[in-house]
Amino acid sequence: AQKVTQAQTEISVVEKEDVTLDCVYETRDTTYYLFWYKQPPSGELVFLIRRNSFDEQNEISGRYSWNFQKSTSSFNFTITASQVVDSAVYFCALSEAELEGAQKLVFGQGTRLTINP
Amino acid sequence: SAVISQKPSRDICQRGTSLTIQCQVDSQVTMMFWYRQQPGQSLTLIATANQGSEATYESGFVIDKFPISRPNLTFSTLTVSNMSPEDSSIYLCSVEETEKGEQYFGPGTRLTVT
Repeated sequence: AQKVTQAQTEISVVEKEDVTLDCVYETRDTTYYLFWYKQPPSGELVFLIRRNSFDEQNEISGRYSWNFQKSTSSFNFTITASQVVDSAVYFCALSEAELEGAQKLVFGQGTRLTINP
Repeated sequence: SAVISQKPSRDICQRGTSLTIQCQVDSQVTMMFWYRQQPGQSLTLIATANQGSEATYESGFVIDKFPISRPNLTFSTLTVSNMSPEDSSIYLCSVEETEKGEQYFGPGTRLTVT
């Protein structure tokens, strides 16, 4: 069965610090997809990234970067030079392509990130 | 990315009643999904709604409690039936963009059952 573990329940840092959010997953499939979402206090879920299991290249998007390591089943998310607007709950999710290609997401418990000014 | 809207954005309902939540997408999508987020918790998939066929429910969710309609490729409804306080949650619909496989979420419906 699929499982996603975000061991860090809450993280608090001072603005401009770098912060890494950990995500460890379990799956028996060789083809799967990993996602990160941001949920700010307003409640909406904002898509950040989708990565397939065959692409282990790290990704950078502005201050955000992702480190995918199949050997340790991890897909960690780093925010560089954090800002107060980064304060949110961040969810890591996993999906396996199932019937008719539907990607059903299994979410981790989320990490609440607070950036203090 | 797809633009998704949900109605209502929030509601307060009495136990024993039912509420129907609407999800509208600005483009045609094959798959739509309904998730539940209980207070302070993560998201859990309720069901997958494919146009033209019965919804597929996840373990722990049944059609009698959460009937779903999917009349066309841009719209779906989720009904929360015979509500109890335990149904107080945020209900979110999501769609998958077939080309990129990215999944986007609506703004959610915040339901409180008293």
